[in-house]
This record gives sequence, structure tokens and C-alpha cells, in this order.
Amino acid sequence: ETGVTQTPRHLVMGMTNKKSLKCEQHLGHNAMYWYKQSAKKPLELMFVYNFKEQTENNSVPSRFSPECPNSSHLFLHLHTLQPEDSALYLCASSHGTQGRETQYFGPGTRLLVL
Amino acid sequence: KNEVEQSPQNLTAQEGEFITINCSYSVGISALHWLQQHPGGGIVSLFMLSSGKKKHGRLIATINIQEKHSSLHITASHPRDSAVYICAARVEGAQKLVFGQGTRLTINP
Repeated sequence: ETGVTQTPRHLVMGMTNKKSLKCEQHLGHNAMYWYKQSAKKPLELMFVYNFKEQTENNSVPSRFSPECPNSSHLFLHLHTLQPEDSALYLCASSHGTQGRETQYFGPGTRLLVL
Repeated sequence: KNEVEQSPQNLTAQEGEFITINCSYSVGISALHWLQQHPGGGIVSLFMLSSGKKKHGRLIATINIQEKHSSLHITASHPRDSAVYICAARVEGAQKLVFGQGTRLTINP
């Protein structure tokens, strides 16, 4: 399998649930990203990881907790979310970490919080 | 006002028409990306530009750094080109991408 994969593709959860989103890249990239895409709003960068280290947290609420155990895997742990957190969550990766490289996106996880 | 603005927000055209989508930005950038998002959410990177013009098949992307403006052109448009096209500016000196709100393109047969 190649490219960037995300699981699950769809997720419905209650506000008291704990769930995790998973992203895996098979491209040998060193940087991975989480984005949020809400309806009728531009894409928002949430987190950046370079060589497994978090280098950017774009003022994301603590109910979103990222984890990057290695350069190929990225998780987003979700806890006590709000209905307004319903969105498409996209993972991306890039080879370099200097900001000039193309980012490759996964298909996204469409999340609905009830 | 968003740092990256796209126009138009929605565009409907007939198969075969020449399509232009515009992107203006107000931040200093090191590169500008054009992305394509199909129904269901998956995003494909089309171009990364820092100057001039790039062409891939029927797609052409141009950028004018002085005017802080980029355009994406599609020649001989086809219904399979129907998607949301997103412009993203890479902020100078950072990895951060700032996204436009997207242009929803529909090509009718």
C-alpha cells in the first residue's frame, strides 16, 4: 500500500466518548500534519511533527491530543469533544521539514460528534 | 479578512470551456500550492509554485509574486475536473500553510 492512509474513514461519537484517529504514511516522509476542515471554512492546521517531535500546536484545545510514535504513524486522540468539533480531519506528510515541500494528504476521517 | 482569498467561490461551466480560478494572498510566502479535493474529502496536490508558471496536462498554474496573485487554469475542461480547488500559501520562514476557502468547480457534460 502506498501514500497516506487514514482510519477510520467515518466516525460518530458522543461527547463523553474517547476515540482515536490513525494516520499512516508509506512514503518515507519525515514530517506529518493534522488538519481540520469544517463546513464552509478553510482548512486549519492543527499540529506539525518533524522526526516524531511536535513542532507546532496551532492553539488546539486539549481535548485533541496528538501522538507520533514514529515517523510513519500519527494519531489524534479525541476526548470529551463538542458538537462543533464535527469536521473532516485530514492527515498529511512531507519529505522535508523546511517548509518548501509538497504535502501529501490522506483521504480524511469524517467525524460527527453528537 | 482571510490571508488567502480565492475567487470565484463557485463556478459552473460546460465541458470544453477554459477555466480560471484566482488566488490572492496578503502574507509573505515561500511557496504557493494548488490542491484538488474530490467529494469524500481526499486531497491531491496539483502544483507547488514559487515563481513563474507550471503546466501538467490540461492544468496550468501561474504566480505573480509582486502582485501576490496566482491563477489555476484548466483547458478543455471535463466533468471529471469537478472538484473543490484550494489555494494554500506557505508562510515565509515557516512550515505553516494558510488555506483559501476553496472554489467549487462543476463541469457539466
